[in-house]
Amino acid sequence: AQSVTQPDIHITVSEGASLELRCNYSYGATPYLFWYVQSPGQGLQLLLKYFSGDTLVQGIKGFEAEFKRSQSSFNLRKPSVHWSDAAEYFCAVGAPNDYKLSFGAGTTVTVRA
Amino acid sequence: KAGVTQTPRYLIKTRGQQVTLSCSPISGHRSVSWYQQTPGQGLQFLFEYFSETQRNKGNFPGRFSGRQFSNSRSEMNVSTLELGDSALYLCASSSGQGTGELFFGEGSRLTVL
Repeated sequence: AQSVTQPDIHITVSEGASLELRCNYSYGATPYLFWYVQSPGQGLQLLLKYFSGDTLVQGIKGFEAEFKRSQSSFNLRKPSVHWSDAAEYFCAVGAPNDYKLSFGAGTTVTVRA
Repeated sequence: KAGVTQTPRYLIKTRGQQVTLSCSPISGHRSVSWYQQTPGQGLQFLFEYFSETQRNKGNFPGRFSGRQFSNSRSEMNVSTLELGDSALYLCASSSGQGTGELFFGEGSRLTVL
């Protein structure tokens, strides 16, 4: 069974600074990987996904993530955060034809002025 | 294009009662998944339906059930409610072709007193 670990529960970053959120997955084959963002009281919005191919994936809102098979990681990055990026971020892994995603516990991002 | 619609958004029940939550997927999507989100357990997969057939289910007791109609709308039911069932219930839709990206609704927040 697949699983996801997000080591950081909470990260505080200054507006304009760079952001990196860590995600480690456990799965025997090449996984399907996702990053979602959730604002308070809202559902989850997909930021980006990786199925195969180029290991550096570009997403919405200026986010990118890099798939590193050797490290079983799929870290999310943004060069310069905005106050509106304050939210909870979830990494998720899926297996082909499994029809479900396994989510990490989430990382809450606080942006200070 | 309308997103995923969940009703009701908020509801309060008492222990022992039952509840039915509804989800209308994005037009053209044939897969509907349900997830439970709680502060302690995070996001947990409940079940997934495609063309009225359950293709996968998570590790929840039989009190949790679901179904999908021919128009792809889905309902989930929780019987004999317990305090621990208080959660945000998220519905997600997808095209259903393998394990693809999920589009989430804003959720139904259930409080059990």
